[in-house]
Amino acid sequence: DAGVIQSPRHEVTEMGQEVTLRCKPISGHDYLFWYRQTMMRGLELLIYFNNNVPIDDSGMPEDRFSAKMPNASFSTLKIQPSEPRDSAVYFCASSSPLTGRGYTFGSGTRLTVV
Amino acid sequence: AQSVTQLGSHVSVSEGALVLLRCNYSSSVPPYLFWYVQYPNQGLQLLLKYTTGATLVKGINGFEAEFKKSETSFHLTKPSAHMSDAAEYFCAVTDKAAGNKLTFGGGTRVLVKP
Repeated sequence: DAGVIQSPRHEVTEMGQEVTLRCKPISGHDYLFWYRQTMMRGLELLIYFNNNVPIDDSGMPEDRFSAKMPNASFSTLKIQPSEPRDSAVYFCASSSPLTGRGYTFGSGTRLTVV
Repeated sequence: AQSVTQLGSHVSVSEGALVLLRCNYSSSVPPYLFWYVQYPNQGLQLLLKYTTGATLVKGINGFEAEFKKSETSFHLTKPSAHMSDAAEYFCAVTDKAAGNKLTFGGGTRVLVKP
């Protein structure tokens, strides 16, 4: 298995631009999670899905952030418009109760908004 | 509600010395417990997990952790530190009531001195 695949690995964009981060979970995993990691706040859960349905989006910082999971093999996290304070590493992770509930994380997308 | 406390955001050990990272959790039902490691510029990688059964759990890279219900603890140890153990370590908890949602501790950054 190729693991959880995120793209792009690095993204540099100008303030005000739209940014889309992508994630392909492990096949068969029915949970997908989006996290943000910064030095100041550590690891924050933004949103998670179960069977492609958003379950908890209480961690999404504001309306500029949106996430979708149109099918079991693909999810996106979109920021529009982006701001410098959105600069962080964004991780996607997938999981299944059948695998003992541990998460498999992707390598992350390092976002820099200038 | 679940919570995880990792004592010490930074730990410094000498190469060859014992590594001990402390983790205490709160959960109203039997927990599932995890330790993850994050190397620089990488995603989180599962080190070990406790779900049921034997309370002493062995993981990768010579690490182990012991689940102590009476102390609500899941401390991580390694008898002899190696330079390659320099990383950030995260403790996490979930249970059946939380579904597949993990609650992470704040992380402990380990520095290994030669």
